This record gives sequence, C-alpha cells and structure tokens, in this order.
Amino acid sequence: KQEVTQIPAALSVPEGENLVLNCSFTDSAIYNLQWFRQDPGKGLTSLLLIQSSQREQTSGRLNASLDKSSGRSTLYIAASQPGDSATYLCAGRGSGGSNYKLTFGKGTLLTVNP
Amino acid sequence: NAGVTQTPKFQVLKTGQSMTLQCAQDMNHEYMSWYRQDPGMGLRLIHYSVGAGITDQGEVPNGYNVSRSTTEDFPLRLLSAAPSQTSVYFCASSYSIGDNEQFFGPGTRLTVL
Repeated sequence: KQEVTQIPAALSVPEGENLVLNCSFTDSAIYNLQWFRQDPGKGLTSLLLIQSSQREQTSGRLNASLDKSSGRSTLYIAASQPGDSATYLCAGRGSGGSNYKLTFGKGTLLTVNP
Repeated sequence: NAGVTQTPKFQVLKTGQSMTLQCAQDMNHEYMSWYRQDPGMGLRLIHYSVGAGITDQGEVPNGYNVSRSTTEDFPLRLLSAAPSQTSVYFCASSYSIGDNEQFFGPGTRLTVL
C-alpha cells in the first residue's frame, strides 16, 4: 500500500528565502507525482505534475524533482514571498491496477513572513 | 472554462438526513472522482468514474453513492448522514485515468449534527 509522507509538517521562513519541501513515498512503482497548493478554506490548485519518466519540472519560481529509486520528491521555491503562504500537498498516482487514485501526503504548512 | 464546480459550498445536516453534493466540469474530462479531507487524515478517495455509466469504489465508499449519467456531472449522494461524515468534500477531474493532471473543485464543507 502506497504511503506518502511530507516533512516538515510546518515551516516558517523570512521573505526572500529559498526553501525546499520534502515528499517521500513507499512504493517506487509510481506513475506520476503531483504537487498542489491549498489556501485556507479553499480547494487544491495544481502546481506541477512530474511523470515517472521525468526527473524534474519547472514553473516560474517553482521546481519539482522526482527520484523514484529513493522514493523522494522535492518542491523548491525560490525567493519566497508572503503570497506563497499556504499548505503544500504532494500526491502520488499508483501504476497498473492502482492508477485510479492519488495517494496524498498530509501537507506542509508554509508561512512566509514579510 | 469554469473548470470544476461544486455546490453547495456549505451544508449542515441532521443525522439520518440524505443529500446530494453536486459536481460538474466543462473540460470534457472522462475521469472524475470524489475525495474527503479530514484533519490529520489527508485526502481519501471515496468513489471515482472513468466515463459516463462507469463508476467504482475508492478507499472509503461506505455511506456514499454515485452515478454518472453524463460526462459533465458526477453527483455524490449521502444516503443517511452520520456525524462521521462531517468533512470537506472535493470533486476532481482529469482528461483520463492515469497520467493526466488532476483538477480540483473548491469543495463542500459538510457538518452532520
């Protein structure tokens, strides 16, 4: 059974700092991994999707990497801003017979202080 | 495109009442799904559909019913609400099952008294 863990559960940084959020998964037979952002009381906004054949994806100040062999993904945020404050979730999609669902981590609550 | 829409945004039910949470998407996505989000539990899959007329159970299907008569709509029915079903419910869709990006709706916050 796939399990996804996100560390740390909460992170507070000053504005302008570069930061890394971590996501680990137990089953390396992962089809893809998706990072989401969730603002308080809101839905999930997709940030980046990495296919199993890819090692990284970039969008603006965000860069996500995927290492299937070690069961890890990281989300790098450059030059953080107060508007980046949110909960960040990673989710892995299983392969084969498990490709119908995403398995979510519990998220990292990021606070960027002005 | 409106994307994935959900109604209502908030709902309070009494134990034993039934209701339907609505979900619609205008992206011609074949795959749709329902998740619930609970504190400390993360998001868990309730039911999913790979196309009109085809539905299947996820991790936590008990107490919920779904049907998919059109590509656009995927309603979630609570048959007899229980306090354990107090949660935030999210509908999601993607072009197909498997390797596509998932898009989520804004959620329905449900309280069962």
